[in-house]
Amino acid sequence: AQRVTQPEKLLSVFKGAPVELKCNYSYSGSPELFWYVQYSRQRLQLLLRHISRESIKGFTADLNKGETSFHLKKPFAQEEDSAMYYCALRRDSNYQLIWGAGTKLIIKP
Amino acid sequence: GAVVSQHPSRVICKSGTSVKIECRSLDFQATTMFWYRQFPKQSLMLMATSNEGSKATYEQGVEKDKFLINHASLTLSTLTVTSAHPEDSSFYICSASYSGQLAYEQYFGPGTRLTVT
Repeated sequence: AQRVTQPEKLLSVFKGAPVELKCNYSYSGSPELFWYVQYSRQRLQLLLRHISRESIKGFTADLNKGETSFHLKKPFAQEEDSAMYYCALRRDSNYQLIWGAGTKLIIKP
Repeated sequence: GAVVSQHPSRVICKSGTSVKIECRSLDFQATTMFWYRQFPKQSLMLMATSNEGSKATYEQGVEKDKFLINHASLTLSTLTVTSAHPEDSSFYICSASYSGQLAYEQYFGPGTRLTVT
């Protein structure tokens, strides 16, 4: 079954500390994975996609097929990183996404 | 670019009435639009996927006769909640995708808060 698991509902770290938001997936094919972010009172927006191998706002995520993971990392958290983060997996050959439950990230000053 | 709007942002209706929510892609042609429902402090639940000019594909457990979706043009999709009940109160979000280099990215609308009294 296709599934995305974000084990942490809430993650709270101090400003300047490293951040890692976990995402594990279950998928039989070749996965396409994404991280979306929702800042307070704003709409969901794409943060990064694994195929781009990019770093956005200091965040990176590496696809680990052996561990079926796509964890989101940032070496030094900033207060403006506080938001809801969703990991998503593209379903099959269409545009649908399978969503994780989301992790609320709180950066403490 | 790639802006999606939703109207209205908030709506309150009485039980038994119908409510229509519009989703528009403002600066691109959306070949595919998605409708989600989000309960408080929970993730998004995909309700249906619609492609312009064809019938929407509903997820298991979503009543197609209750949640009518129309995608009549490449820039507009509508969700009509028919005979609304208090349990339909929720946050409804649409997103849109288009064929192209970033075909797998979804652009989200700001959401519509529906309250059924």
